[in-house]
Amino acid sequence: GQNIDQPTEMTATEGAIVQINCTYQTSGFNGLFWYQQHAGEAPTFLSYNVLDGLEEKGRFSSFLSRSKGYSYLLLKELQMKDSASYLCAVRGGNQGGKLIFGQGTELSVKP
Amino acid sequence: EAGVAQSPRYKIIEKRQSVAFWCNPISGHATLYWYQQILGQGPKLLIQFQNNGVVDDSQLPKDRFSAERLKGVDSTLKIQPAKLEDSAVYLCASSFGQGPYEQFFGPGTRLTVL
Repeated sequence: GQNIDQPTEMTATEGAIVQINCTYQTSGFNGLFWYQQHAGEAPTFLSYNVLDGLEEKGRFSSFLSRSKGYSYLLLKELQMKDSASYLCAVRGGNQGGKLIFGQGTELSVKP
Repeated sequence: EAGVAQSPRYKIIEKRQSVAFWCNPISGHATLYWYQQILGQGPKLLIQFQNNGVVDDSQLPKDRFSAERLKGVDSTLKIQPAKLEDSAVYLCASSFGQGPYEQFFGPGTRLTVL
């Protein structure tokens, strides 16, 4: 079967660092995406990992370990506007482009 | 560039009624996706088009859902008849192709079935 697990919710303080974990079991692997989704809005792309290691983009970094079926999204210098749902999605090995999403992690940033 | 457009943004219907959603992808994007996102869950792929052909419709409830992309650009998703459990946000996304390309999402249509 195909399964993607991430925590349901997390709380962090403005200015702090938070790490959102994602573990996956899928039929094949062709990359892992992180999306941000504010309430009532469409998901927006944050990062893409296909090889092991860390990808850094400003305040956001994403890490992938294919052997462990594990990724994390690291958010630094948290701002109130970072309060949103963070979706981990894996592209499987068979159908081109098809993404399988986790349930999302609802992050609340408190002052 | 213009993003993915969807309409309507909101729709309320009674069970057993029919409803249709429309999507206009980003110009030049060959691949179009329809997702269903139930409250508190991640999006679930319903159907994927490559130009005007279906690539994957394995999770589309074909007894009540249908979708088309006749000219390889705009797409419509229809539900007939609707059930209570169809209440969700229906997201349309597009990408340049089927490869390692970012998917761009539209604002979604929030459907409430009473």
